[in-house]
Amino acid sequence: DAKTTQPTSMDCAEGRAANLPCNHSTISGNEYVYWYRQIHSQGPQYIIHGLKNNETNEMASLIITEDRKSSTLILPHATLRDTAVYYCIVRVGGGSNYKLTFGKGTLLTVNP
Amino acid sequence: SQTIHQWPATLVQPVGSPLSLECTVEGTSNPNLYWYRQAAGRGLQLLFYSVGIGQISSEVPQNLSASRPQDRQFILSSKKLLLSDSGFYLCAWSAKGLAGINEQFFGPGTRLTVL
Repeated sequence: DAKTTQPTSMDCAEGRAANLPCNHSTISGNEYVYWYRQIHSQGPQYIIHGLKNNETNEMASLIITEDRKSSTLILPHATLRDTAVYYCIVRVGGGSNYKLTFGKGTLLTVNP
Repeated sequence: SQTIHQWPATLVQPVGSPLSLECTVEGTSNPNLYWYRQAAGRGLQLLFYSVGIGQISSEVPQNLSASRPQDRQFILSSKKLLLSDSGFYLCAWSAKGLAGINEQFFGPGTRLTVL
C-alpha cells in the first residue's frame, strides 16, 4: 500500500473549518484514500473514503487532487469533540487485502 | 445494527501470567475480524486478522496468539505475558463486500498493563 505523509499536529478554532492535508504521491490507480479518526482512549472511527471524485457525508468532505497525489479532509464546522488523531490511509480495495496500515496521523486540537 | 464488544475494559497482569482477551460481534455474519495493538505513544499495529472460523493470519512475530472458535468471536491469548505486551488492544470487524471497500469498525478496546 502507498505511504502517506501527514502533519504531526494542527490547531483549529471552534466553529471554523478544519482542513487536514495528506500526501500520497506514490498512490496507484486502484488504491482508495481512507480517513479515520481516534479520539483519546477510544477505538478509531471511520470518517470517509474516496477513489477519484470528491466525497461528502454527514461528518466531512474529502477533496482528492486530480493527479490523486494528495487529499484534504475538511470538517466544515469543527467542534471541541472533533479533537482527535486523524489518520489518512491509502490501500487497495477488495480482493484479499483486508488490512489497514495506520501511520502516526495528525493530532487535531480544536480550541474554544 | 451491528455492535462489537470487548472485555475486559482494563486489565493489570503480572509478567509471566497468561492472557485472554475476548471480542464478539453482533448483528452481522461471516465478518473479517482483526486484532490491533497501540503501545503508548505509538501508532496502531495490526497483530492478527481472520477471514473465517479457524483461519488466522499473523502480521508480526510476537508473544501472542489468536483464535476464532466461532463466526463472531475472536480471542487474543498469551501463555506468558511480557512487559512489552502492555498497550491498548483493539478488536475490529469488517464486512466482506463485492467492492471490497472494507470499512472497519472498532471496539472500545482493552487497556492492558503488564507489571
